[in-house]
Amino acid sequence: EVQLLESGGGLVQPGGSLRLSCAASGFTFSSNAMSWVRQAPGKGLEWVSGISGSGDNTKYADSVKGRFTISRDSSKNTLYLQMNSLRAEDTAVYYCAKVVSYDFWRGEDYWGQGTLVTVSS
Amino acid sequence: QSALTQPASVSGSPGQSITISCTGTSSDVGFYNYVSWYQQHPGKAPKLMIYDVSNRPSGVSNRFSGSKSGNTASLTISGLQAEDEADYYCSSYTSSSTRVFGTGTKVTVL
Repeated sequence: EVQLLESGGGLVQPGGSLRLSCAASGFTFSSNAMSWVRQAPGKGLEWVSGISGSGDNTKYADSVKGRFTISRDSSKNTLYLQMNSLRAEDTAVYYCAKVVSYDFWRGEDYWGQGTLVTVSS
Repeated sequence: QSALTQPASVSGSPGQSITISCTGTSSDVGFYNYVSWYQQHPGKAPKLMIYDVSNRPSGVSNRFSGSKSGNTASLTISGLQAEDEADYYCSSYTSSSTRVFGTGTKVTVL
């Protein structure tokens, strides 16, 4: 059974940093691309970042480019999202999701439960 | 990258069919056949319903079907059931090698 468990969310001040983690199990981690998708309170879904199965191809939404870094550790079956220079508009539930294939353009078939990031002073 | 355009709400009676549109541009929806659809119930994580425009993951009811014409993709739910009441989002790969979601549609079963 595929399981994705996010952690690392919380309250952070504007300009601060936070690192999210997503522990994956139930599938061959390096065979699938992974995504981070966020949802601000009462709003729609926003794709944040994607990483290929090998980790050598990463992409970001314009809204986070230069501030967020996605990475993965296949030895730990864990996906990460390093978030720097956080802004109030980054406040959202962040979902980790498994993509249906090796590259991240085909959609996400399994999702974690989400972790809430709140950026506020 | 601007969000894809979906109607804010669509409603139908039990047993009816409804269609949700997802309009993009030649740089996203019209670019590749990599459109996916998600169902989200309140307080829950999204669930993949359709990928690659018209493919259903295993376990998803065949009452859900997807199609695309030009820059507009569509999700059709046939035989509408009370459990189908949820928010629905489309998503597309883009020519910038990123992904973009739609604005979301609230489906109400009357």
